[in-house]
Amino acid sequence: QVQLVESGGGLVKPGGSLRLSCAASGFTFSAYYMGWIRQAPGKGLEWVSSISGAGSFTNYADSVKGRFTISRDNAKNSLSLQMNSLRAEDSAVYYCARVSRITGAANVPLETDYWGQGALLTVSS
Amino acid sequence: QSALTQPASVSGSPGQSITISCTGTSSDVGAYDFVSWYQHHPGKAPKLMIYDVSSRPSGVSNRFSGSKSGNTASLTISGLQAEDEADYYCTSYTSSSTLGVFGGGTKLTVL
Repeated sequence: QVQLVESGGGLVKPGGSLRLSCAASGFTFSAYYMGWIRQAPGKGLEWVSSISGAGSFTNYADSVKGRFTISRDNAKNSLSLQMNSLRAEDSAVYYCARVSRITGAANVPLETDYWGQGALLTVSS
Repeated sequence: QSALTQPASVSGSPGQSITISCTGTSSDVGAYDFVSWYQHHPGKAPKLMIYDVSSRPSGVSNRFSGSKSGNTASLTISGLQAEDEADYYCTSYTSSSTLGVFGGGTKLTVL
């Protein structure tokens, strides 16, 4: 069965860096777009980033562009999110998700069919 | 502030029907039939319940239905059951971003 397991969350000071990882199993990882979606405390969900199956195409939310980098290692069935210059407003539970459908020239993710349990990032001094 | 507007909470008794609204703009909900709904039980992974406004993924109960009128999409749950108590999020394709936009979420309480 499909499993997505995030790791790497924790407490970081403002301006610091952290790398989240997501271990995928139960499906052909390289065949799917993947993404990161976050939920800040008491807030709704927010797309953070997505990446194509081969890693060639990436999308980022304006709020993280230039600070976060999404990547994948298809040989290891692993998805990562490198987060730099962290801010208090980046504090959230970060979910790894498998994208089931994309659309348009910009490869916009439409739906996700599997999610991990989430990794908590707290940015605080 | 979330891009799509949902009521913070709705409630209903077992067996009743409830509807959750999701209001966007002519750049997202109003312009495209790419509205999806997710059910999220705290501590668990969100689950896709509706896609393309009104389509149900395999395995999702037909008690869940979706619709759209203008800039507002709706999720209706009929025959409410205790297990339906969860947070519900709408999401839509938007022409103003390379990623989708979510609503702020609606907490459903089954009385």
